[in-house]
Amino acid sequence: DAMVIQNPRYQVTQFGKPVTLSCSQTLNHNVMYWYQQKSSQAPKLLFHYYDKDFNNEADTPDNFQSRRPNTSFCFLDIRSPGLGDAAMYLCATSEGLAGGPGTDTQYFGPGTRLTVL
Amino acid sequence: AQSVTQLGSHVSVSEGALVLLRCNYSSSVPPYLFWYVQYPNQGLQLLLKYTSAATLVKGINGFEAEFKKSETSFHLTKPSAHMSDAAEYFCAVRSSGSARQLTFGSGTQLTVLP
Repeated sequence: DAMVIQNPRYQVTQFGKPVTLSCSQTLNHNVMYWYQQKSSQAPKLLFHYYDKDFNNEADTPDNFQSRRPNTSFCFLDIRSPGLGDAAMYLCATSEGLAGGPGTDTQYFGPGTRLTVL
Repeated sequence: AQSVTQLGSHVSVSEGALVLLRCNYSSSVPPYLFWYVQYPNQGLQLLLKYTSAATLVKGINGFEAEFKKSETSFHLTKPSAHMSDAAEYFCAVRSSGSARQLTFGSGTQLTVLP
């Protein structure tokens, strides 16, 4: 089955130690998104890639970076994690952006739960 | 600007009872509306979506939602709750004709009592 895969499912890091979260997709979708979801809150969009074009949300901290080396993979890098960055990180994909809900429906991976010690 | 409001952060129903989760939207242009479900420590799974075609939308797992423009609502219902429906439910909106991303509501935690 076509799907969105996130590894690892659980990640523990230390305060200030860089960490990378991974997302891959077999849907061959053009758009990949990263969301941060803190406990009992709605997902918050951090940024997205449309193909190779990177789009950062205005309030995403500089501490968060992303890379998309090819269509299938996208990485979330947290350069210096703080205690406030502990959250579930969700990757999602969509076929397109503004072509209508048939193409921009987002499909989510299972998430990576990040703990910062 | 677009937004969604989910009334009731926690809803409890008995097994076999009607499930009603409320969502009201605000959008200056015709919206696209979505309901997602999230089980503990899982990602979001699409339940159903409104795409400006039929106002009554049927989704997976027996859920459906009705788009009511006059009430700016898109409430999620299921006639008979099952224990496996216990999860968090998110309503989301995206304005048509724009490149803006999904805006999520704050979520409703559904508990199903035996």
